Amino acid sequence: EVQLVESGGGLVQPGGSLRLSCAASGFTVSSAYMSWVRQAPGKGLEWVSLIYSGDGRTYYADSVKGRFTISRHNSKNTLFLQMDSLRPEDTALYYCAKDRGLLGNDYWGQGTLVTVSS
Amino acid sequence: DIQMTQSPSSLSASVGDRVTITCRASQSISSYLNWYQQKPGKAPKLLIYAASRLHTGVPSRFSGSGSGTDFTLTINSLQPEDFATYYCQQTYTTRTFGQGTKVEIK
Repeated sequence: EVQLVESGGGLVQPGGSLRLSCAASGFTVSSAYMSWVRQAPGKGLEWVSLIYSGDGRTYYADSVKGRFTISRHNSKNTLFLQMDSLRPEDTALYYCAKDRGLLGNDYWGQGTLVTVSS
Repeated sequence: DIQMTQSPSSLSASVGDRVTITCRASQSISSYLNWYQQKPGKAPKLLIYAASRLHTGVPSRFSGSGSGTDFTLTINSLQPEDFATYYCQQTYTTRTFGQGTKVEIK
């Protein structure tokens, strides 16, 4: 059974950093595309970042480019999102999701909440 | 960047109604369009991928159509468990979601 469990969220001051983790089971993270998607309180879904299987190419939304870094640890079967220079507008529930390339996100975690506030 | 525009933003419907939600892309995305359902406090669930293909386990009352820039999600005979927010997503270049359509009980 495929499972994704996010962790690492919390309260951080503007300008601070957090690293989110997404522990996967039931499949191999290195063999799948993986995405981070966020949802601000009461708002819609916003795609944040994508990492390809194999060569590990990475892509970012313009809103986070240069501040966030997606990566994976193959032996731990875990996906990460390093978030630096955080802003209040980064406050959201962050989901990791298994990404089937062109065919959508078929598995999602339960999300981890990030709050950026002084 | 490709922008995705859904309409309407919300709608009210009754059990048994047929509901149609549209999604328009700012440029052609071929058939690389997916639909998700999200209920309050839950993660989104994939309903339709590649514009018209039903994801595993999704009831057949859900259907999708379209290609290029204009797409439609149709729910035939709306059921109580279908009241939720629906999002389209393009995967032609990176990813973009529509702003969502909330389906409420009339």
